[in-house]
Formats: sequence, C-alpha cells, structure tokens
Amino acid sequence: QLQLQESGPGLVKPSETLSVTCTVSGGSITTSTYYWAWIRQPPGKGLEWIGSIYYSGSTYYDPSLKSRVTISVDTSKNQFSLKLSSVTAADTAVYYCAREIEGSSRTDYWGQGTLVSVSS
Amino acid sequence: QSALTQPASVSGSPGQSITISCTGTSSDVGGYNYVSWYQQHPGKAPKLMIYDVSNRPSGVSNRFSGSKSGNTASLTISGLQAEDEADYYCSSYTSSPSYVFGTGTKVTVL
Repeated sequence: QLQLQESGPGLVKPSETLSVTCTVSGGSITTSTYYWAWIRQPPGKGLEWIGSIYYSGSTYYDPSLKSRVTISVDTSKNQFSLKLSSVTAADTAVYYCAREIEGSSRTDYWGQGTLVSVSS
Repeated sequence: QSALTQPASVSGSPGQSITISCTGTSSDVGGYNYVSWYQQHPGKAPKLMIYDVSNRPSGVSNRFSGSKSGNTASLTISGLQAEDEADYYCSSYTSSPSYVFGTGTKVTVL
C-alpha cells in the first residue's frame, strides 16, 4: 500500500524559505504515469494546488506562486521536496503531498499533511 | 487563476439527494474532462471521490456521481447518510497548465 509522509520544520520566520519533504513508501517514485504534487490548506480555508513534478524533474507550478516555488525530486531517497521562498503569514497552512496520475484528474494518494506556521 | 465557485453550504435529510455545483471557465472546467471531487472530514486529508468528471475510484460508494455541462461540474450524493457530512472540493485541470480547486462546500446532514 502506497504511503506518503510529509516532514517539515513546523515554524518558519517571515521572509525566510519554507522547506517540506515528502517520503514515498510502498512504491517507487520513478514509476511512469505518476506526478508528485504539493497542495496546501490555510487553517479554516480551502485547498490550493501548488505544483507537481515528474521523476525526470519536469515541473508544473501554480502561476500565482511560480516565482517563489521550487519542487525537486530525489529518486535515490524516494522523496520529493517543496521550497517556498519569501514567506509571509499568508503561507501558514497544512501542506499535503499527493500522487497525481498523468492524463487524468486523479489525485489518489495523499499524505496526512504537516502544519507549517510562519511567525517571528 | 481564480478558484472555482462552489456554494458555501448544502444540506439535506438522510435518504435525500443533494447536488453541489462547481463553476469555472472555458479555460478549466469547460475546456477539459479533468474534473475531480474530494471529500474532507475535519482534521483529515482529502479523499478522492470522483475523477475525470464522472469516474468513481474503487471503494467509493455508487451513491456518489459526477457530471458536467459547459463550464459547470456537479457532484450528486444520493441516499444521503450521516457519514457524508463533510467538506467537498472540486478540482479542474487548467490551460496554464496547472490545477485549480473550488472554494469548498460544507455538506450538513439534517
């Protein structure tokens, strides 16, 4: 059974860079047809798609976040990561990693999410 | 890009049917058959309920169905049950290319 687990710092200072990693177990991140995504949810608010990556390194980002986001993949560790620069309080959210299926709107496996707060 | 528009809340009695709408544009919902629906209970990760407009993943009750007409997609829950009380989000592929979520709908079982 595929499992995704986010790990992150919990607290980040304003203007710094937020970094979160997703570890995939029970399956290979290099399997074709899968993209690996980051989605966030501010407390009490809705879901926001951040971006996704293919194991080859090909990425897609939300246009409104593109200038601050970098998603990378480490196939040797079966992990992918999110970096969000110049954070503000508005970036406080639960960050989820998930698996997307290429050629479909199917995002079928999700991590449990990790709360990252931005505060001095 | 703007979030897809959903009603803030929908309610129904046990056994009834309810429908949640999801309105976008020709650059997202109307342009692709890549609309999905997610159920989220408090404190939990979202769960995929419908993908590619009307397909159900294995294990999801056939009480859940999806459809699309023009720039609006819909999720119908028939035979409403107490366990269906949750937040529901639609999502669509966009021309950017990217994905965009809906504003979310709170379903209450009366």
